[in-house]
Amino acid sequence: EVQLVESGGGLVQPGGSLRLSCAASGFTFSSYAMSWVRQAPGKGLEWVSAISGSGGSTYYADSVKGRFTISRDNSKNTLYLQMNSPRAEDTAVYYCAKSGTMVFYGYLFDYWGQGTLVTVSS
Amino acid sequence: QPVLTQPPSASASLGASVTLTCTLSSGYSDYKVDWYQQRPGKGPRFVMRVGTGGIVGSKGDGIPDRFSVLGSGLNRYLTIKNIQEEDESDYHCGTDHGVFGGGTKLTVL
Repeated sequence: EVQLVESGGGLVQPGGSLRLSCAASGFTFSSYAMSWVRQAPGKGLEWVSAISGSGGSTYYADSVKGRFTISRDNSKNTLYLQMNSPRAEDTAVYYCAKSGTMVFYGYLFDYWGQGTLVTVSS
Repeated sequence: QPVLTQPPSASASLGASVTLTCTLSSGYSDYKVDWYQQRPGKGPRFVMRVGTGGIVGSKGDGIPDRFSVLGSGLNRYLTIKNIQEEDESDYHCGTDHGVFGGGTKLTVL
């Protein structure tokens, strides 16, 4: 059974930093691209970032480019999102999501975690 | 980038059928759309992908036969037959180019 468990969310001040983690199990982690998708309170979903199965290719939404960094440790079956200089508009539940392929293509997310809440506020 | 429009709410009686609509903005009639179900307090769950020819690929794990899709012009439809209490959820659509709609909250009466 595929399981994705996010952690690391919480309250962070604007301009601070926070690292989210996603522990994966039930599939060969290194064989699949992974993404972070967020949902602001009362809003729809927004794709944030993606990384290929090998970790060699990364992709970002314009809204977070230059501030957030996605990475993965295939030896630990874990996905990360380093959030630097967060803004109030980054407040959201952050989900990690698995793609159906090793390369990131087509934005189809076949499994999702339960999410972790990030609140950016002073 | 396309814009996806979904009605904010829909309702249906237990055992009835309902069709949810996701509308692509003009000029994007060839785009495929993914449907996701999100139960209260849970992460989204992939339902299936739809193009103008109908379903693309396979349904998500555990999605019952009561769920089906159709695509026509700019519209992508998700139909749920014989609605059960467990179908009460938010339903999101997203394009194969990374844009999501605002979601539709389905209430089972």
